[in-house]
Amino acid sequence: EVQLVESGGGLVQPGGSLRLSCAASGFTFSDYGMNWVRQAPGKGLEWLTHINSISSNIYYADSVKGRFTISRDNAKNSLFLQMNNLRDEDTAVYYCTREWDYWGQGSLVTVSS
Amino acid sequence: EIVLTQSPATLSLSPGKRATLSCRASQSVSRYLAWYQQKPGQAPRLLIYDVSNRATGVPARFSGSGSGTDFTLTISSLEPEDFAVYYCQQRSNWPLTFGGGTKVEI
Repeated sequence: EVQLVESGGGLVQPGGSLRLSCAASGFTFSDYGMNWVRQAPGKGLEWLTHINSISSNIYYADSVKGRFTISRDNAKNSLFLQMNNLRDEDTAVYYCTREWDYWGQGSLVTVSS
Repeated sequence: EIVLTQSPATLSLSPGKRATLSCRASQSVSRYLAWYQQKPGQAPRLLIYDVSNRATGVPARFSGSGSGTDFTLTISSLEPEDFAVYYCQQRSNWPLTFGGGTKVEI
């Protein structure tokens, strides 16, 4: 069974940093591109970043470019999102997705002083 | 950036009725258009990819159509579990974008 489990969310002050992790199981992680998507409270979906299977192609939304960094460790079946210089508007549930057919349950990030 | 505009914002229908949801792109996305369903407190679920291909396990009452800039998700006969928010997404160009969503309510 394919599973994606996010962790690392929580409360952080504006300007702070947080690192999200996504643990993958039930499939060959190194065969798939991965994405991070977020959803602010009561709002729609926003794609953030994509990394291909071998980390050779990475793309970012303008809203997070230069502040967020996606990475993966295929040996550990894990995806990461390093988030720096966080802003109030980054408050959201963050989802990791396998290409687009499987999604994690989400990790809540709250940016507030 | 390709902007996706979904209409209507809210669709009020009864079980058994046909639902037609629209997604319009600001420029052509070829056939790289997907649809998702999201229920409260849950992650989105992929319904349709590449305009008209149903994802694994998606009932046949869900169908997608369109090309270029105009796309439609049709639910032929609404079941109680279909009342949710639906999002379209384009995967033609970076950055990938989602539409604002259509809420299907009773």
